[in-house]
Amino acid sequence: DGGITQSPKYLFRKEGQNVTLSCEQNLNHDAMYWYRQDPGQGLRLIYYSQIVNDFQKGDIAEGYSVSREKKESFPLTVTSAQKNPTAFYLCASSPPGSDTQYFGPGTRLTVL
Amino acid sequence: AQSVAQPEDQVNVAEGNPLTVKCTYSVSGNPYLFWYVQYPNRGLQFLLKYITGDNLVKGSYGFEAEFNKSQTSFHLKKPSALVSDSALYFCAVSPRTHSGGYNKLIFGAGTRLAVHP
Repeated sequence: DGGITQSPKYLFRKEGQNVTLSCEQNLNHDAMYWYRQDPGQGLRLIYYSQIVNDFQKGDIAEGYSVSREKKESFPLTVTSAQKNPTAFYLCASSPPGSDTQYFGPGTRLTVL
Repeated sequence: AQSVAQPEDQVNVAEGNPLTVKCTYSVSGNPYLFWYVQYPNRGLQFLLKYITGDNLVKGSYGFEAEFNKSQTSFHLKKPSALVSDSALYFCAVSPRTHSGGYNKLIFGAGTRLAVHP
């Protein structure tokens, strides 16, 4: 069963804690992305990675960190420096030479 | 600044009637244009895209979109709406400013489509 998986579906965090969101794909896509979705604001790009061991900041990278040690995996860490982390987080990937991005099911993070 | 506008927060349509969800963009050059759909608490699903050629693009689930370069618009359409089409729809643009490298997607804020029985 191919696709993009994100876990967990729902995540609760206390203020001051770091938390890591998982994103895995078995589509053999080179590029992977993390977006944040807030009501009425569309999607905003946090980080992206075009190849293993390389990643770039997006429009709202402050308070977030990523790694890309394997082609299949692109985990996102929401650090305590992120002032307003409650949001819906979406991971996406795209095949080589294509602008079309394919999305995972998302993780809803709530800070208590 | 590059941007995508979806001027309607919500579109209401009766089942069986045609629907249109509007999108305009402010991007120079020849961008690629996309429509995605999102159901509650789910990720985005790709519907269709325009790269070049015929201005009318056909996509999944009976949706189509019309590209109009002079009006910088890419409106999503369907001849006969279904209740199951009710969802959040996003228009996105890839400016294509970096050949051979990463081309970002710029998303609109989304339009909620409500199809009533």
